[in-house]
Amino acid sequence: DTGVSQNPRHKITKRGQNVTFRCDPISEHNRLYWYRQTLGQGPEFLTYFQNEAQLEKSRLLSDRFSAERPKGSFSTLEIQRTEQGDSAMYLCASSLSTGGYTEAFFGQGTRLTVV
Amino acid sequence: QQPVQSPQAVILREGEDAVINCSSSKALYSVHWYRQKHGEAPVFLMILLKGGEQKGHDKISASFNEKKQQSSLYLTASQLSYSGTYFCGTSLWDSGSRLTFGEGTQLTVNP
Repeated sequence: DTGVSQNPRHKITKRGQNVTFRCDPISEHNRLYWYRQTLGQGPEFLTYFQNEAQLEKSRLLSDRFSAERPKGSFSTLEIQRTEQGDSAMYLCASSLSTGGYTEAFFGQGTRLTVV
Repeated sequence: QQPVQSPQAVILREGEDAVINCSSSKALYSVHWYRQKHGEAPVFLMILLKGGEQKGHDKISASFNEKKQQSSLYLTASQLSYSGTYFCGTSLWDSGSRLTFGEGTQLTVNP
């Protein structure tokens, strides 16, 4: 399967714990996006990489959130000191572009539940 | 600013047509349409760039009215597989970065 892969699919954690999610984009894609989706809402943009460079971060991304894409391939999203409000589906998407827009393909997401 | 989608929900019988609208108060560069089924990833349908072009494949097409800053998604002769939540994502410039998604339109197609 050459689609966007996210791990784990589900994560239950206690409030205050740190969690890390991984996203493996489609192999040749140079752009990688993280979004968060809560029930009944559309995805909310969190951050975006072009190759290994993090080019944009949403104001939603507090200091507790950090994302990396060390070699321009897979990416990780870490949430420190989780809060109940962090419970959501975290979606990763990737696209191939040399400029402007092309279609972005989403992974199946990681569902985070903070108890 | 989040685009506004209408209607919020629509129920069809198989074979009927539907139109879903996506409006913005700001000048848009592009509109992206996705369909998401429960528990699954959003699936890309199409991109429309400013210029008022219309796109389509199979029985799903879309238009982008630059004057109104509105995009419409047209589903004709709907099939059971069209059921899901449709989201439009918009961008204000051509940087290829963030999309701002609407709240979605839930489409149910019944036999």
